[in-house]
Amino acid sequence: SQTIHQWPATLVQPVGSPLSLECTVEGTSNPNLYWYRQAAGRGLQLLFYSVGIGQISSEVPQNLSASRPQDRQFILSSKKLLLSDSGFYLCAGRDNSHEQYFGPGTRLTVT
Amino acid sequence: RKEVEQDPGPFNVPEGATVAFNCTYSNSASQSFFWYRQDCRKEPKLLMSVYSSGNEDGRFTAQLNRASQYISLLIRDSKLSDSATYLCVVKSWNNNDMRFGAGTRLTVKP
Repeated sequence: SQTIHQWPATLVQPVGSPLSLECTVEGTSNPNLYWYRQAAGRGLQLLFYSVGIGQISSEVPQNLSASRPQDRQFILSSKKLLLSDSGFYLCAGRDNSHEQYFGPGTRLTVT
Repeated sequence: RKEVEQDPGPFNVPEGATVAFNCTYSNSASQSFFWYRQDCRKEPKLLMSVYSSGNEDGRFTAQLNRASQYISLLIRDSKLSDSATYLCVVKSWNNNDMRFGAGTRLTVKP
């Protein structure tokens, strides 16, 4: 099975500051990778997914972007954070099995 | 209409109770179905896959009704440790991603 690593666990950033969240995967090659956001008391919202290096699909328009510079690395970024960007950010991976594994998440508070 | 809909709850039940969660999905091309469990402030974790014939894992039973586009999860003999949010998840053959319901919150009380 694969393991998803995310950091940091908690982040407090001011409005207008940049963001970079990193996710790395071990235990599998060429996984599909995903970034989700979960607002307080809400469901998971898919932000981006990637089927390979350099391949990014965006699900919703927003001021966030994603990149996949290596097979097992997926990065979520923003140039200028908004208050509405606060939430629980989860990276997930899926290999040839149908199971989707999640990282421990980053709880972002934009102040 | 949301792709995956669940009753948000909360369901508050006593220990030992039997509780059932329902989930409906809108995409008839959906092919794979799952229940995930999410503890407070933690990441979701796979609880069980849902097979066409229905499947059981200990106190948990999952069922699928393709004609009605409906999935269910039954928990028997509820334990305090079952308290969590249960997410219904659906994957279509033509999607690279999985669609999550907003979750049903369960609290089991002594």
